[in-house]
Amino acid sequence: KNEVEQSPQNLTAQEGEFITINCSYSVGISALHWLQQHPGGGIVSLFMLSSGKKKHGRLIATINIQEKHSSLHITASHPRDSAVYICAVAADSNYQLIWGAGTKLIIKP
Amino acid sequence: NAGVMQNPRHLVRRRGQEARLRCSPMKGHSHVYWYRQLPEEGLKFMVYLQKENIIDESGMPKERFSAEFPKEGPSILRIQQVVRGDSAAYFCASSRQGSVGYTFGSGTRLTVV
Repeated sequence: KNEVEQSPQNLTAQEGEFITINCSYSVGISALHWLQQHPGGGIVSLFMLSSGKKKHGRLIATINIQEKHSSLHITASHPRDSAVYICAVAADSNYQLIWGAGTKLIIKP
Repeated sequence: NAGVMQNPRHLVRRRGQEARLRCSPMKGHSHVYWYRQLPEEGLKFMVYLQKENIIDESGMPKERFSAEFPKEGPSILRIQQVVRGDSAAYFCASSRQGSVGYTFGSGTRLTVV
């Protein structure tokens, strides 16, 4: 079992829909990152969380430390949101990031 | 305040040549991490460096790959005698000492022909 599990692996939705991507982890962490990667593109850090909730524009990220679970939400989704969204955790005991497999999101106009 | 700068963005090498990938961390960041992303796969840790020190190179292939982060200048990931299997995107991230706030570069896409 991977230490960081993301779901779903693939998600296709219509423009305007509310999107939720989930991340569960099994190790103690000091922080959790949500990142975005467009096809052939670089990696953009969206959020770093250690507790609670953060919001940036149409993006919201939440984390529940007790349940070892985080969600990334996109409101009023748009085709330009189409990308791979990656969850990565910084484990307590190690500076290395442990990466989820990513969620490929396609938003259709 | 530029972010993490990687160059070149794209690099084409023939088999057997050397590839040099550069990463300039964000201002004030003294830690650099290199990751490799093979086609259709996730990122894999390669090496963690501080200025003039390799802290952890457990993810580096044992042969042909080396990394440095000199006192002055960018961090360099060097691949000698490249093979087709080295074709990948190589990402660099940097952070401040004691921080888990990483900033990523745009990556270098290496193609070995």
